[in-house]
Amino acid sequence: KQEVTQIPAALSVPEGENLVLNCSFTDSAIYNLQWFRQDPGKGLTSLLLIQSSQREQTSGRLNASLDKSSGRSTLYIAASQPGDSATYLCAVKSGGSYIPTFGRGTSLIVHP
Amino acid sequence: GAGVSQSPSNKVTEKGKDVELRCDPISGHTALYWYRQSLGQGLEFLIYFQGNSAPDKSGLPSDRFSAERTGGSVSTLTIQRTQQEDSAVYLCASSLASGGLDTQYFGPGTRLTVL
Repeated sequence: KQEVTQIPAALSVPEGENLVLNCSFTDSAIYNLQWFRQDPGKGLTSLLLIQSSQREQTSGRLNASLDKSSGRSTLYIAASQPGDSATYLCAVKSGGSYIPTFGRGTSLIVHP
Repeated sequence: GAGVSQSPSNKVTEKGKDVELRCDPISGHTALYWYRQSLGQGLEFLIYFQGNSAPDKSGLPSDRFSAERTGGSVSTLTIQRTQQEDSAVYLCASSLASGGLDTQYFGPGTRLTVL
């Protein structure tokens, strides 16, 4: 059974810092890995989707990497802004299942 | 085009009552998922629909929970005889196909409070 862990659970940084959020998974036989952000009281917004054959994806100030062999993905946020404050979740779709497994998320606060 | 919509946005009900939650997926999306998110918990998978195939109900926590999807589009999640532990945010997501390649798009959720 796939298990997904996100570390740290919470993070508070000053504006302008570059930061890294971590996601680890136990079964490396995955279809893809997706990063989401969730604002308080809202649904999830997709940020980046990395297919199993890819090593990284970039969108603006966000860069997500995938290392299947070590069961890890990182989400890199450059030059963080207060508007980046949210909970970030990763979800892994494993081979043989169409049901993604979600981590519990990292709650990020970027203070001015 | 429009994203995934859910209604109602908030629902307060009394213990023992039945509730229906609605999800309108993105037009053309064949896969639809229901999840539950409780305070301080991760996303809990409930049920998955793909086209006309039989749904994957493996995540439903009890037989008080059921869901249907009419015409391959709108889905309704029904909770019978609600209990206080059913209080949570219920999220719906859709994707273009069932394969491993597709992004999931989430609705804003329905916050259910059982008194």
